[in-house]
Amino acid sequence: DAKTTQPPSMDCAEGRAANLPCNHSTISGNEYVYWYRQIHSQGPQYIIHGLKNNETNEMASLIITEDRKSSTLILPHATLRDTAVYYCIVSSPDSNYQLIWGAGTKLIIKP
Amino acid sequence: ETGVTQTPRHLVMGMTNKKSLKCEQHLGHNAMYWYKQSAKKPLELMFVYSLEERVENNSVPSRFSPECPNSSHLFLHLHTLQPEDSALYLCASSHRQGWEKLFFGSGTQLSVL
Repeated sequence: DAKTTQPPSMDCAEGRAANLPCNHSTISGNEYVYWYRQIHSQGPQYIIHGLKNNETNEMASLIITEDRKSSTLILPHATLRDTAVYYCIVSSPDSNYQLIWGAGTKLIIKP
Repeated sequence: ETGVTQTPRHLVMGMTNKKSLKCEQHLGHNAMYWYKQSAKKPLELMFVYSLEERVENNSVPSRFSPECPNSSHLFLHLHTLQPEDSALYLCASSHRQGWEKLFFGSGTQLSVL
Protein backbone atom coordinates (compact mmCIF):
# COMPACT_ATOMS: atom_id res chain seq x y z
CA ASP A 1 0.00 0.00 0.00
CA ALA A 2 1.04 3.57 -0.64
CA LYS A 3 2.57 5.35 2.34
CA THR A 4 0.98 8.66 1.40
CA THR A 5 -2.51 10.16 1.57
CA GLN A 6 -3.73 12.71 -0.95
CA PRO A 7 -7.14 14.24 -1.67
CA PRO A 8 -8.72 12.52 -4.66
CA SER A 9 -9.42 15.74 -6.53
CA MET A 10 -8.90 19.51 -6.48
CA ASP A 11 -9.80 22.48 -8.63
CA CYS A 12 -7.75 25.59 -9.22
CA ALA A 13 -8.34 28.70 -11.30
CA GLU A 14 -5.97 29.36 -14.16
CA GLY A 15 -3.22 31.77 -13.19
CA ARG A 16 -3.54 31.03 -9.49
CA ALA A 17 -1.17 29.00 -7.38
CA ALA A 18 -2.16 25.36 -7.04
CA ASN A 19 -1.30 23.89 -3.65
CA LEU A 20 -1.45 20.10 -3.49
CA PRO A 21 -1.18 18.53 -0.03
CA CYS A 22 0.25 15.15 0.87
CA ASN A 23 0.33 13.35 4.21
CA HIS A 24 3.13 10.90 4.93
CA SER A 25 2.96 10.55 8.69
CA THR A 26 4.95 7.29 8.78
CA ILE A 27 7.86 8.57 6.72
CA SER A 28 11.23 7.35 7.94
CA GLY A 29 14.42 9.35 8.24
CA ASN A 30 16.01 8.28 4.98
CA GLU A 31 12.90 8.48 2.81
CA TYR A 32 12.58 11.17 0.20
CA VAL A 33 9.33 12.75 -0.96
CA TYR A 34 8.81 12.55 -4.71
CA TRP A 35 6.18 14.19 -6.87
CA TYR A 36 5.17 13.03 -10.32
CA ARG A 37 2.25 13.97 -12.51
CA GLN A 38 0.43 12.13 -15.26
CA ILE A 39 -1.34 14.03 -17.98
CA HIS A 40 -4.07 12.11 -19.74
CA SER A 41 -2.79 9.53 -22.24
CA GLN A 42 0.83 10.07 -21.24
CA GLY A 43 3.29 8.43 -18.89
CA PRO A 44 4.05 9.99 -15.51
CA GLN A 45 6.44 12.94 -15.46
CA TYR A 46 8.90 13.65 -12.66
CA ILE A 47 8.34 17.04 -11.02
CA ILE A 48 10.50 17.41 -7.92
CA HIS A 49 11.79 15.61 -4.85
CA GLY A 50 13.18 16.51 -1.44
CA LEU A 51 14.34 15.12 1.89
CA LYS A 52 14.08 17.82 4.54
CA ASN A 53 14.57 21.21 2.99
CA ASN A 54 12.17 23.02 0.72
CA GLU A 55 13.00 22.65 -2.93
CA THR A 56 12.23 24.68 -6.03
CA ASN A 57 12.78 24.07 -9.71
CA GLU A 58 11.39 25.41 -12.96
CA MET A 59 8.20 23.42 -12.57
CA ALA A 60 7.22 23.69 -8.94
CA SER A 61 8.13 24.20 -5.29
CA LEU A 62 8.05 21.54 -2.61
CA ILE A 63 7.41 22.54 0.98
CA ILE A 64 8.10 19.85 3.60
CA THR A 65 6.98 20.41 7.18
CA GLU A 66 9.60 20.39 9.88
CA ASP A 67 8.41 17.05 11.26
CA ARG A 68 8.35 15.72 7.67
CA LYS A 69 4.90 14.24 8.15
CA SER A 70 3.37 16.23 5.34
CA SER A 71 4.32 18.23 2.29
CA THR A 72 2.79 20.57 -0.25
CA LEU A 73 3.52 20.83 -3.94
CA ILE A 74 3.04 24.34 -5.26
CA LEU A 75 2.51 25.19 -8.92
CA PRO A 76 2.93 28.97 -8.74
CA HIS A 77 0.90 30.01 -11.79
CA ALA A 78 -1.29 27.14 -12.91
CA THR A 79 -2.17 26.81 -16.58
CA LEU A 80 -4.69 24.57 -18.31
CA ARG A 81 -1.82 22.27 -19.28
CA ASP A 82 -1.23 21.54 -15.59
CA THR A 83 -4.47 19.53 -15.47
CA ALA A 84 -3.26 16.06 -14.50
CA VAL A 85 -3.13 13.44 -11.76
CA TYR A 86 -0.42 14.35 -9.25
CA TYR A 87 1.29 11.57 -7.29
CA CYS A 88 3.12 12.01 -4.01
CA ILE A 89 5.46 9.12 -3.21
CA VAL A 90 7.94 8.42 -0.44
CA SER A 91 10.90 6.19 -1.11
CA SER A 92 14.39 5.51 0.17
CA PRO A 93 17.60 4.08 -1.30
CA ASP A 94 16.88 0.94 0.74
CA SER A 95 13.68 0.25 -1.15
CA ASN A 96 15.53 -0.81 -4.28
CA TYR A 97 13.36 0.04 -7.23
CA GLN A 98 10.03 0.29 -5.53
CA LEU A 99 8.13 3.49 -5.87
CA ILE A 100 4.75 2.65 -4.33
CA TRP A 101 2.18 4.61 -6.28
CA GLY A 102 -1.16 5.64 -4.82
CA ALA A 103 -4.23 7.02 -6.53
CA GLY A 104 -2.92 10.60 -6.57
CA THR A 105 -4.84 13.87 -6.78
CA LYS A 106 -6.72 14.76 -9.92
CA LEU A 107 -6.03 18.49 -10.37
CA ILE A 108 -8.33 20.35 -12.71
CA ILE A 109 -7.33 23.84 -13.78
CA LYS A 110 -10.35 25.91 -14.73
CA PRO A 111 -10.29 28.92 -17.09
CA GLU B 1 9.45 14.31 -25.55
CA THR B 2 10.89 12.38 -22.61
CA GLY B 3 13.61 10.47 -24.45
CA VAL B 4 11.77 7.19 -23.89
CA THR B 5 9.87 5.84 -26.89
CA GLN B 6 7.35 3.03 -26.77
CA THR B 7 5.77 1.17 -29.66
CA PRO B 8 3.10 0.44 -30.51
CA ARG B 9 0.89 3.06 -28.84
CA HIS B 10 -2.14 0.82 -29.10
CA LEU B 11 -2.44 -2.95 -29.42
CA VAL B 12 -5.42 -5.26 -29.64
CA MET B 13 -4.75 -8.96 -29.38
CA GLY B 14 -6.59 -12.19 -28.90
CA MET B 15 -5.88 -14.52 -26.05
CA THR B 16 -3.98 -16.93 -28.27
CA ASN B 17 -1.78 -14.33 -29.94
CA LYS B 18 1.88 -13.59 -29.30
CA LYS B 19 2.98 -9.98 -29.47
CA SER B 20 5.84 -7.82 -28.18
CA LEU B 21 6.02 -4.33 -26.77
CA LYS B 22 9.13 -2.32 -27.47
CA CYS B 23 10.80 0.44 -25.50
CA GLU B 24 13.85 2.48 -26.44
CA GLN B 25 15.58 5.15 -24.39
CA HIS B 26 17.96 7.79 -25.76
CA LEU B 27 19.11 9.14 -22.39
CA GLY B 28 22.13 6.99 -21.68
CA HIS B 29 20.41 5.51 -18.64
CA ASN B 30 21.46 2.26 -17.01
CA ALA B 31 18.15 1.04 -15.62
CA MET B 32 14.88 0.28 -17.38
CA TYR B 33 11.49 -0.65 -15.99
CA TRP B 34 8.13 -2.07 -17.03
CA TYR B 35 5.04 -0.84 -15.21
CA LYS B 36 1.39 -1.84 -15.56
CA GLN B 37 -1.42 0.67 -15.08
CA SER B 38 -4.90 -0.84 -14.97
CA ALA B 39 -8.02 1.26 -14.95
CA LYS B 40 -8.67 2.76 -11.53
CA LYS B 41 -5.60 1.06 -10.00
CA PRO B 42 -2.20 2.47 -9.06
CA LEU B 43 0.86 1.85 -11.17
CA GLU B 44 2.38 -1.56 -10.50
CA LEU B 45 6.06 -2.30 -11.02
CA MET B 46 6.53 -5.44 -13.11
CA PHE B 47 10.22 -5.77 -13.98
CA VAL B 48 13.47 -3.88 -13.53
CA TYR B 49 16.67 -4.24 -15.50
CA SER B 50 19.92 -2.71 -14.40
CA LEU B 51 22.88 -2.87 -16.77
CA GLU B 52 20.91 -5.40 -18.82
CA GLU B 53 20.45 -7.75 -15.87
CA ARG B 54 17.00 -8.40 -14.47
CA VAL B 55 17.06 -7.32 -10.86
CA GLU B 56 13.39 -7.23 -9.97
CA ASN B 57 10.41 -9.39 -10.89
CA ASN B 58 7.32 -8.54 -8.93
CA SER B 59 5.53 -11.89 -9.07
CA VAL B 60 4.47 -11.31 -12.64
CA PRO B 61 2.79 -14.25 -14.43
CA SER B 62 5.00 -16.10 -16.88
CA ARG B 63 2.79 -15.06 -19.81
CA PHE B 64 4.75 -11.79 -19.57
CA SER B 65 8.38 -12.25 -20.57
CA PRO B 66 10.81 -9.31 -20.54
CA GLU B 67 13.98 -9.02 -22.57
CA CYS B 68 16.74 -6.42 -22.36
CA PRO B 69 19.28 -6.98 -25.16
CA ASN B 70 21.21 -3.79 -24.34
CA SER B 71 20.94 -0.80 -22.06
CA SER B 72 18.88 1.19 -24.57
CA HIS B 73 16.22 -1.36 -25.46
CA LEU B 74 13.61 -3.23 -23.49
CA PHE B 75 10.95 -5.62 -24.72
CA LEU B 76 7.91 -7.20 -23.14
CA HIS B 77 6.87 -10.39 -24.89
CA LEU B 78 3.24 -11.35 -24.45
CA HIS B 79 1.60 -14.73 -24.99
CA THR B 80 -1.72 -16.31 -24.05
CA LEU B 81 -2.88 -13.22 -22.21
CA GLN B 82 -6.16 -12.89 -20.37
CA PRO B 83 -8.74 -10.10 -20.71
CA GLU B 84 -7.76 -8.84 -17.24
CA ASP B 85 -4.30 -8.11 -18.64
CA SER B 86 -5.80 -5.23 -20.61
CA ALA B 87 -4.04 -2.12 -19.33
CA LEU B 88 -1.60 0.65 -20.11
CA TYR B 89 1.95 -0.72 -20.11
CA LEU B 90 4.57 1.88 -19.34
CA CYS B 91 8.29 1.74 -19.84
CA ALA B 92 10.62 3.93 -17.81
CA SER B 93 14.33 4.48 -17.43
CA SER B 94 16.59 6.05 -14.85
CA HIS B 95 20.20 7.07 -14.67
CA ARG B 96 20.89 4.37 -12.16
CA GLN B 97 18.92 1.80 -10.32
CA GLY B 98 16.83 2.62 -7.34
CA TRP B 99 15.10 5.75 -6.39
CA GLU B 100 16.48 8.16 -8.93
CA LYS B 101 13.90 10.02 -10.93
CA LEU B 102 12.21 8.03 -13.65
CA PHE B 103 11.59 9.04 -17.23
CA PHE B 104 8.49 7.39 -18.69
CA GLY B 105 7.38 6.65 -22.20
CA SER B 106 3.82 7.34 -23.30
CA GLY B 107 2.84 3.72 -22.88
CA THR B 108 1.15 1.02 -24.91
CA GLN B 109 -2.59 0.71 -24.39
CA LEU B 110 -3.25 -3.03 -24.60
CA SER B 111 -6.64 -4.62 -25.10
CA VAL B 112 -6.98 -8.38 -24.85
CA LEU B 113 -10.10 -9.80 -26.42
